[in-house]
Amino acid sequence: EAQVTQNPRYLITVTGKKLTVTCSQNMNHEYMSWYRQDPGLGLRQIYYSMNVEVTDKGDVPEGYKVSRKEKRNFPLILESPSPNQTSLYFCASRQLASNYGYTFGSGTRLTVV
Amino acid sequence: GDSVTQMEGPVTLSEEAFLTINCTYTATGYPSLFWYVQYPGEGLQLLLKATKADDKGSNKGFEATYRKETTSFHLEKGSVQVSDSAVYFCALRGPGGATNKLIFGTGTLLAVQP
Repeated sequence: EAQVTQNPRYLITVTGKKLTVTCSQNMNHEYMSWYRQDPGLGLRQIYYSMNVEVTDKGDVPEGYKVSRKEKRNFPLILESPSPNQTSLYFCASRQLASNYGYTFGSGTRLTVV
Repeated sequence: GDSVTQMEGPVTLSEEAFLTINCTYTATGYPSLFWYVQYPGEGLQLLLKATKADDKGSNKGFEATYRKETTSFHLEKGSVQVSDSAVYFCALRGPGGATNKLIFGTGTLLAVQP
């Protein structure tokens, strides 16, 4: 089954403790992206990647890092999480030469206390 | 910059009522337009799309027409069901290059009562 898999689904952590949210897709998509969803703000892009070793900032990159060492994986790293990073996070991917929309993961609900 | 504006919710309807969720956009060029649906506790699923003016996207009884003259992409369904209760997001993607980013509206919560 074609899918984007995120882990974990739920995470509660403390301020300053480094964490990684994993994202993996099995569709050989070049393009991958991370979004955060907040009430009243919709989804905002954090980082994206056009292909292996090619990443760039989205609209709200502060406090986040990403890497793209393999085509299928695109982890989101919070080096020193803060409470304002409490949010619902989605990973998404798509084929570049396509008019189709993105395929989204099921989301990771992160709470930073 | 590019943006999407959708009507605020929540929208509460009785089963079999007619649904309209308004969506307008601001963009340069000719963006592709999408509606995504998010059921409780799940990720976003593509509901329908349109890639050029006057295209009509349709799926599961939902429809939306790409109106270039009014920069709109309103979502409609003739008869909603309780199972349609979800959050609906309108989104656009600009043409080509680094504008592969999807730009979302703030979402509209639809609650359908039996």
